[in-house]
Amino acid sequence: GAVVSQHPSRVICKSGTSVKIECRSLDFQATTMFWYRQFPKQSLMLMATSNEGSKATYEQGVEKDKFLINHASLTLSTLTVTSAHPEDSSFYICSAVRGAGNTIYFGEGSWLTVV
Amino acid sequence: SQQGEEDPQALSIQEGENATMNCSYKTSINNLQWYRQNSGRGLVHLILIRSNEREKHSGRLRVTLDTSKKSSSLLITASRAADTASYFCATDAGGTSYGKLTFGQGTILTVHP
Repeated sequence: GAVVSQHPSRVICKSGTSVKIECRSLDFQATTMFWYRQFPKQSLMLMATSNEGSKATYEQGVEKDKFLINHASLTLSTLTVTSAHPEDSSFYICSAVRGAGNTIYFGEGSWLTVV
Repeated sequence: SQQGEEDPQALSIQEGENATMNCSYKTSINNLQWYRQNSGRGLVHLILIRSNEREKHSGRLRVTLDTSKKSSSLLITASRAADTASYFCATDAGGTSYGKLTFGQGTILTVHP
């Protein structure tokens, strides 16, 4: 079964509203999680590194005030897309590193459609 | 982050044939991984090869790594229609950045029954 879970898997929101996506590590603690974005027919681009108990590290070109990341516990990171616009419509996927063996696990991804 | 390049961008073959996909990257790596993604779905981890390894096998998969050329290849032997998917390579620089992946542009593989 999945060891990293994302919720919701699909969400439709109205332009101008905010939407939150959750990423949970189910049976391990993850001090670091990663958020990626994938536009249709394109590759995955890293948006930010989510650090438990501290501020997220954003990649160049990613607006930190628009994509709010909160890593409040060792098993949960959330990505909030604020004031969403249609161009934010994309597939968002998170990953976490499991300490033993340093295996990377990806969530199932979340489809965001802004209308 | 800089994306690596993959070629071909699209590959169409018949069931039973072999499929080879190539990946090039730009920076030093700790390891390189290959993932499969079915349309609209999440990622499936296929294989990881470390920077000190040159070749690795897993079932019908064979991965090579040439760090001097900063390139890798994924060979799928005896392909099946179920192998139809997008395939991505991803590099990990390791160290304090472990788990932070840089993905290639991907190859769309279509296997015709």
